[in-house]
Amino acid sequence: EAGVTQFPSHSVIEKGQTVTLRCDPISGHDNLYWYRRVMGKEIKFLLHFVKESKQDESGMPNNRFLAERTGGTYSTLKVQPAELEDSGVYFCASSLTYGGGAPYEQYFGPGTRLTVT
Amino acid sequence: LAKTTQPISMDSYEGQEVNITCSHNNIATNDYITWYQQFPSQGPRFIIQGYKTKVTNEVASLFIPADRKSSTLSLPRVSLSDTAVYYCLVGLGTDKLIFGTGTRLQVFP
Repeated sequence: EAGVTQFPSHSVIEKGQTVTLRCDPISGHDNLYWYRRVMGKEIKFLLHFVKESKQDESGMPNNRFLAERTGGTYSTLKVQPAELEDSGVYFCASSLTYGGGAPYEQYFGPGTRLTVT
Repeated sequence: LAKTTQPISMDSYEGQEVNITCSHNNIATNDYITWYQQFPSQGPRFIIQGYKTKVTNEVASLFIPADRKSSTLSLPRVSLSDTAVYYCLVGLGTDKLIFGTGTRLQVFP
């Protein structure tokens, strides 16, 4: 079974440009999450999709970030316009639908390293 | 979501048992305790999860005392490849994961 994949693995852009990150979750996983680690800081939650709906977007830093999940499959995270402080590693994770009891593990992708110069 | 506290770093040698303790004083009744492992340039990876007492799988054991205010991840006979950051998290269902600083384990030959 294929794991969570993310594209691109690295992206270097200039301040003010636009970048779109893509995440393909594990097939059948309704839950999709975006996290990021800014240099030297902890991994922080950005948002959570359940199928195509945004369940929780409390971690989105500002309106320069736009996440979509068309048809409840893959997701994109667009940063427009990018700022220097957006540099970091962006992780995507997915999990099964929660049915009660123990929480399902989240499967993480390898991350996209974004560098804004 | 309960905050967790764990040591920033630990050193060990190959073949030794490593125990990493995490405190979570405000854990809720329904919360589970989950540990993730992260290698450089990779996303975190699930290791083990438990609610109370002891859980063991092929890679680790998780010890949880009766009051559940702490937990200990035990890695038997570590190898160089166990060098990674280990995160302790508490939560329920499909909650977002709240990562702390984690414990950076360095295994020496």
